[in-house]
Formats: sequence, structure tokens, C-alpha cells
Amino acid sequence: QSVLTQPPSVSGAPGQRVTISCTGSNSNIGATYDVHWYQQLPGTAPKLLIYGNNNRPSGVPDRFSGSKSGTSASLAITGLQAEDEADYYCQSYDSNLRGYVVFGGGTKLTVL
Amino acid sequence: QVQLQESGPGLVKPSETLSLTCSVSGGSISSHYWSWIRQPPGKGLEWIGYIHYSGSLNYNPSLQSRVTLSLDTSKSQISLKLNSVTAADTAMYYCATFSSSSYWALHADWGQGTLVTVSS
Repeated sequence: QSVLTQPPSVSGAPGQRVTISCTGSNSNIGATYDVHWYQQLPGTAPKLLIYGNNNRPSGVPDRFSGSKSGTSASLAITGLQAEDEADYYCQSYDSNLRGYVVFGGGTKLTVL
Repeated sequence: QVQLQESGPGLVKPSETLSLTCSVSGGSISSHYWSWIRQPPGKGLEWIGYIHYSGSLNYNPSLQSRVTLSLDTSKSQISLKLNSVTAADTAMYYCATFSSSSYWALHADWGQGTLVTVSS
């Protein structure tokens, strides 16, 4: 059971827009900790996709965007492409106990 | 951008200690915090802990009793030890940079990972 909740899967046709939600609580996302998103292509290590809720590292297309509100965050992908098919993970920090890093369970994006 | 390379035994027996090393190049080991993260086959990511050369340490509460992280600055290496392993510890193990500055807990750079199987 992950501290951050993501849908197990989402799908969309090429060119469409999809969103992936990431729901936390007042001890993590709601406590103003940043949300970061990672993309994991099959058989590879995760790669930073969005940092600080809504910032793209150099080289990440502007088709990818992030947002955060209250205890939730979202990743949006517009103009879906076949190469976007991957697993996506949200990540934040939780203030409980001594504080620790928390991940969402991951969302498998299928491009139809 | 630093480069990270994990290494260690690919097979560990149950009840023994898993020991892995992450070699850092392209940057100073004292410039970052360092995280270990694992991923069981077909499952999601789990943070193990972070370490900084200053001595700052933090572990996942669920693993804290079994985990030890350490740094060897002379070799630019970060080490992970996980004792009393079981089959549930079978996973791909990644090391990554951990940001403590502008964007807290950001993992910008990752190694390619090393697969560890726990089996007799």
C-alpha cells in the first residue's frame, strides 16, 4: 500500500490528452512538500520528468506538465505519442516519524 | 550531471546480508545527498534511505532496523547493507542523487540499477 495513490493504469489514443492523478495527505503533498514525477520506460531506470510540481528538466517536451492542489497532484500529457508508453511515478516527502521519501504505486500508460 | 553505477552480488542467500556499492563519477560525492531506491520485479519504487558526507542519514521506517548506508569519499562510493534478507528483498536496486536544496527530495540522476535475487 503506497502512501501516495495513483491509478494503476490509464490509456489514450495517439494525439489525445491523458492525466494521471497522485493523491496524498496533509503530511506529504498537503504539507507543501514538492511533488516530482518520473517516467520509467520498459527495462530502464526511472527518469526525472517533472520536478517541483510543475517544472520540466531540459530535454523534456512541453507536452508534459504537472500541477498540484491541496493534497493532490496531476501529470498531464498532451499530444500522446507511442513513445510515451511507460510507467509513471509521483514522489514527495512525508513529515511523519523522522520524515521519509514516498512514492506513488505507479501508473502504466498505454497508448492505444 | 553525475553518473552512477551500482554493483554487487546478483544472488544472496536468505538470512544473509545484501551488500551493494554505488560508484559516482562526473561530480563530487560531497556535493550531494545520495539515495538508495529499490523496485521488486513488476512492482513500484520504494525508497530505502539517504546519506550525506556530513553524516546526515535517514532511512525508510519500514527498513530502518535492517539497513545501513555509508560513504567512502576516497573511492567516491556509496554503500548499502541490508541484513537478514528474505525473498521479499528481491529487487532492482538503484542509487540516485537526492536534492536537499531548492527542490526537496528530488532524485535528478539515477544509476542503471542492479538486480539482486534472494534465493538459496
